[in-house]
Amino acid sequence: GENVEQHPSTLSVQEGDSAVIKCTYSDSASNYFPWYKQELGKRPQLIIDIRSNVGEKKDQRIAVTLNKTAKHFSLHITETQPEDSAVYFCAAGKAAGNKLTFGGGTRVLVKP
Amino acid sequence: NAGVTQTPKFQVLKTGQSMTLQCAQDMNHEYMSWYRQDPGMGLRLIHYSVGAGITDQGEVPNGYNVSRSTTEDFPLRLLSAAPSQTSVYFCASSYRVDNSPLHFGNGTRLTVT
Repeated sequence: GENVEQHPSTLSVQEGDSAVIKCTYSDSASNYFPWYKQELGKRPQLIIDIRSNVGEKKDQRIAVTLNKTAKHFSLHITETQPEDSAVYFCAAGKAAGNKLTFGGGTRVLVKP
Repeated sequence: NAGVTQTPKFQVLKTGQSMTLQCAQDMNHEYMSWYRQDPGMGLRLIHYSVGAGITDQGEVPNGYNVSRSTTEDFPLRLLSAAPSQTSVYFCASSYRVDNSPLHFGNGTRLTVT
């Protein structure tokens, strides 16, 4: 089955700096790569997703890049703010069905 | 729309007891699923359903049963609770079955003693 590795497990950045989280996946048939943000005690919420026919996608301060050949994808957060502090999860899935395999999560702390 | 509603929010069980976690969505979503979240392990898929009357196993199905008699409801049954099932359980749904965004419920925190 699919295996998703996520790094780093924790990330501390100064407010205004950039944060980068990286994920690798094992199944070359995976073609959907969402990112979820989970604040303490809350539910995961989708922040951005990318499909395999696209190499990069951006939404304001958040961007995701995908390298299908190397089987890795990354989340970039620019100009970080304290409200960006949360746990971020990457995931990978295939077209047939919505079975997502999640990475282990990255705890991001933005220091004011 | 209420979105995805899970009940209860908290539950404590003794080993061997059974219970049902409830999940309902009012968005007419085709796809529904159950995940468990354990520290450092992300979210792992327990069972999922692509429509009423259709269910299938995910990554960690042992000890759990599901059914989908209606589009709206997808209950998760623990047959004989074990301490290893202590976790936070999330129900999630999506409009389509082909990789559309998942909408999560608020979770149920289950402790088995």
